[in-house]
Formats: sequence, C-alpha cells, structure tokens
Amino acid sequence: KAGVTQTPRYLIKTRGQQVTLSCSPISGHRSVSWYQQTPGQGLQFLFEYFSETQRNKGNFPGRFSGRQFSNSRSEMNVSTLELGDSALYLCASSVTGVGTEAFFGQGTRLTVV
Amino acid sequence: QKEVEQDPGPLSVPEGAIVSLNCTYSNSAFQYFMWYRQYSRKGPELLMYTYSSGNKEDGRFTAQVDKSSKYISLFIRDSQPSDSATYLCAMRRGGSEKLVFGKGTKLTVNP
Repeated sequence: KAGVTQTPRYLIKTRGQQVTLSCSPISGHRSVSWYQQTPGQGLQFLFEYFSETQRNKGNFPGRFSGRQFSNSRSEMNVSTLELGDSALYLCASSVTGVGTEAFFGQGTRLTVV
Repeated sequence: QKEVEQDPGPLSVPEGAIVSLNCTYSNSAFQYFMWYRQYSRKGPELLMYTYSSGNKEDGRFTAQVDKSSKYISLFIRDSQPSDSATYLCAMRRGGSEKLVFGKGTKLTVNP
C-alpha cells in the first residue's frame, strides 16, 4: 500500500513569491492535515480537510491556505512568502481524522531566500 | 505553559539499554496519545497509538499513559543503533483531528 506522497521534496523561493505544495493521501483516507515543522517551534498544525471541506485551522496568517479535491488529494498555498516561512511542510492522512491514526509523508522542504 | 512538554535531550545510550522517553501535558481533554519516530530529513513515522490511560506493547516498544498525572511514556527495550532518531509525542482531543506535538527528544544509541 502506497504511503502519503508529497511533492515536490525541495523548493527554493524568493521573498514575495507564492508556492503550492501537493499531498496525495493513502488510498481510502479522506482526511488530510498540514503541519509546519521548524527547529524553534516544532510541529505546528496548519489546517485539516475532510471531504473537500476545511474542518479546522491553526493559528497561521491568511497567507496560508489550502484545498482538497474530490479524490482527497490536497494542496497547500503560501502567498507573499517571508523568510520565516522556511520550514519542512508535512502532510498527514487518516481515514476520518477524528480518532484515527495519522500517517505522515516525507515533507516538502521550503527555503525562502 | 505549553500544552505539551517534552525534554529535548539529547539522550545518548549504549546499545542494548532500556530507553525511557516522556511527555507531560496540561490539557485534560486529550484522549488520544501517539509516539512518532523521525529520522533526519524524513517525515514522522507512527510508532504507537493509544486511547485513554493504560499500557500498550508492540515488540520492543511499550507506551504508557497516565491521565491522572497527565504523563505519557515510551519505553524502548534492547535499543539498537537503528533506533537513533528524534522521538515526538503527540496528542489529540476527542472529536478533534488536530495533533499537538512535543518538541521531540533526540536519541542516539551507540554501538
């Protein structure tokens, strides 16, 4: 069974640009969550989607947005990039989200210069 | 006060040692407790998943949850160099999909 797939694995962007990250969940999983991991803050919750609807959102500015498609694949977008957005962005999928195990992808390493 | 506290280490042990990793938390609403292992430049890998208080064993790994003390532990028996990684505790409220993580403990098992 294929795991969670995130693309691309690495990205280098310039301040002010925007970026889109992609996540394909495990087959049959309908919940996709996004997390930001930095050395200083650790893993922080960005948002969660289930059946194309955002169910929960973390404390991040509106520059961070996402969406989910009918096949459960999800994308995350960051607009007007700042240096502080440099991080490992992780996607996790689970069957329903609530009360079920969450499995992570390998992440997308974003560097903003 | 952070919701989840975890000693960042680093922790260095000889091969074959028993390793004890711990997290404390402040939110009594947490009901689901997890341990993840993360190798350098990789995503977190789910090791243990438990609901409410009690113990759970899987091979060399044992997870313990004490909700009365708001304290969770992961024990690794007969530790191996391949166990060298960062271990993250995570927890979730009932009815929520949001995981709250500890900062992680970096473990090195020396041959």
